[in-house]
Amino acid sequence: DTGVSQDPRHKITKRGQNVTFRCDPISEHNRLYWYRQTLGQGPEFLTYFQNEAQLEKSRLLSDRFSAERPKGSFSTLEIQRTEQGDSAMYLCASSLLELSFNTEAFFGQGTRLTVV
Amino acid sequence: QQQVKQSPQSLIVQKGGISIINCAYENTAFDYFPWYQQFPGKGPALLIAIRPDVSEKKEGRFTISFNKSAKQFSLHIMDSQPGDSATYFCAASIRGSNYKLTFGKGTLLTVNP
Repeated sequence: DTGVSQDPRHKITKRGQNVTFRCDPISEHNRLYWYRQTLGQGPEFLTYFQNEAQLEKSRLLSDRFSAERPKGSFSTLEIQRTEQGDSAMYLCASSLLELSFNTEAFFGQGTRLTVV
Repeated sequence: QQQVKQSPQSLIVQKGGISIINCAYENTAFDYFPWYQQFPGKGPALLIAIRPDVSEKKEGRFTISFNKSAKQFSLHIMDSQPGDSATYFCAASIRGSNYKLTFGKGTLLTVNP
């Protein structure tokens, strides 16, 4: 499968615990995005990498959230001291070039986080 | 602050009918308008996209109509099929910040056989 891969698909954690998600983008895609989708809402932008550089972080990404893309390939999103409000689907996407009429973002299937 | 407003929230159409989903935006700096289709348990997938210098784009049964002066765009699905049942999202991004898509809240489309 050459699509965007996310792991795990589902994660249930207790409030206060730390969680880490992994995203493997399509190979040769140097742009990687994280979005969060809550029930009944569209995806919301969290952060963006071009190669290993994190170029923008949304205000939605509180200090408890950190994302890395150490070698410009896979990325991890860590949430520390999880809260019930963090329960959502976390989507990763990648693209070869900057998004435009000729370049699309390919999304993974997401990691569904439930904080109990 | 919702920058892209999508309606309706849900839509039920009979097989063979036309499905119409509307979106409105306020930021005139948006210059890329994609529509995404999402099936349960899957990530969104690009369906069709348009840029603001074009008033209409058609790909198979899917058509985007774009009205720049009204700051509105819509998705039309002709000859709707049960396999089209999914959630549809309109989105937009700003020139120079095209890495950041702003999505509408989505429309749950159900096509009855």
